[in-house]
Amino acid sequence: DAKTTQPPSMDCAEGRAANLPCNHSTISGNEYVYWYRQIHSQGPQYIIHGLKNNETNEMASLIITEDRKSSTLILPHATLRDTAVYYCIVRATGANSKLTFGKGITLSVRP
Amino acid sequence: DAGVTQSPTHLIKTRGQHVTLRCSPISGHKSVSWYQQVLGQGPQFIFQYYEKEERGRGNFPDRFSARQFPNYSSELNVNALLLGDSALYLCASSLGWGWTEAFFGQGTRLTVV
Repeated sequence: DAKTTQPPSMDCAEGRAANLPCNHSTISGNEYVYWYRQIHSQGPQYIIHGLKNNETNEMASLIITEDRKSSTLILPHATLRDTAVYYCIVRATGANSKLTFGKGITLSVRP
Repeated sequence: DAGVTQSPTHLIKTRGQHVTLRCSPISGHKSVSWYQQVLGQGPQFIFQYYEKEERGRGNFPDRFSARQFPNYSSELNVNALLLGDSALYLCASSLGWGWTEAFFGQGTRLTVV
């Protein structure tokens, strides 16, 4: 699976959009980008995934660059409850379903 | 609907002992994976089971073993516990093979003393 690079931390103000970047320059054509988050002391929570088109669901939007070498997870109106570690993961489907987590990015939402 | 349930939530064991952790997947999910998360790190893949067969194994010693039952629940066993086995053990369930929209339980916090 391709490796991802995320900054260690970032913060944003409550009510503002949080834009979390991820670099995956070695991504292959059959690899998807997945985002999970982990709120303190809880299990990771699936957020969204995509291949090459932008995706949106009730939690977030995923913007993948045209060359697929990077992506951005957007939380449109961050709340204090969005404070968590966010993991960007790249992997192909149809094979071993393991998720390879890095250290993620710690998002702190301030009042 | 019940999510992924793990038991126990917390456990304290002594070095050298054996431990069994349990996981019940979401109803209808046939695949269960186990992860270990030590403090300050992301979860690390241990095993995946699908239809009662091991389908993947991470870089963990043979002291770690698992199995999946006909009702798709799963057990993770760790023998000869070491202090370094202290971690949060997470179970994730997914619909099937190659399906990575995985749903995690709250984990079992294991402390080895």
